[in-house]
Amino acid sequence: DAKTTQPNSMESNEEEPVHLPCNHSTISGTDYIHWYRQLPSQGPEYVIHGLTSNVNNRMASLAIAEDRKSSTLILHRATLRDAAVYYCILKEYGGSQGNLIFGKGTKLSVKP
Amino acid sequence: EAGVTQFPSHSVIEKGQTVTLRCDPISGHDNLYWYRRVMGKEIKFLLHFVKESKQDESGMPNNRFLAERTGGTYSTLKVQPAELEDSGVYFCASSFAGTRGWGEQYFGPGTRLTVT
Repeated sequence: DAKTTQPNSMESNEEEPVHLPCNHSTISGTDYIHWYRQLPSQGPEYVIHGLTSNVNNRMASLAIAEDRKSSTLILHRATLRDAAVYYCILKEYGGSQGNLIFGKGTKLSVKP
Repeated sequence: EAGVTQFPSHSVIEKGQTVTLRCDPISGHDNLYWYRRVMGKEIKFLLHFVKESKQDESGMPNNRFLAERTGGTYSTLKVQPAELEDSGVYFCASSFAGTRGWGEQYFGPGTRLTVT
């Protein structure tokens, strides 16, 4: 699976939107872009994933660049509960390996 | 619906002892994964079961680690004998493999293992 690059940390104010960037310049045509997050003292939690088109769910939105070399996870209104480490992970669809490869992620702090 | 559960939540053992961690996946999830995070490091994959078969065990660090998944339901991860460097948090995850590849993974809360 290809590698991703994320900022080590970001800060946000409560109730403001947050844009978490991810670069994946070596992405292949069959790689899905997945986002997971890990809240303090919990296991990682699935957030969203996409292939080419932008995606929305109840937790977040995923904006994917046209060339797919980067993507942005958007939290529309950050809450204190969104303080977590966010991981951007590429996953080959139907690949031989089902496991996720975690990097360092982006630690998001949310200020009241 | 119950999520992925892990037992125990915390285990403290002495070097050289044996510890067995248990994971109960979400019902109906054929895929079960073990990961771990050792101090200051990233979360690393250990192995992947599809039902009761080991699909991929390339992440297992050495032969002191033994994972089983009898009957394709719950899984155990045994460390024997435990070493200091085995300390960390062990996560289990499960997924339903439908038509979208391996599926989103649902993680348990982890077992914190401390070897003294």
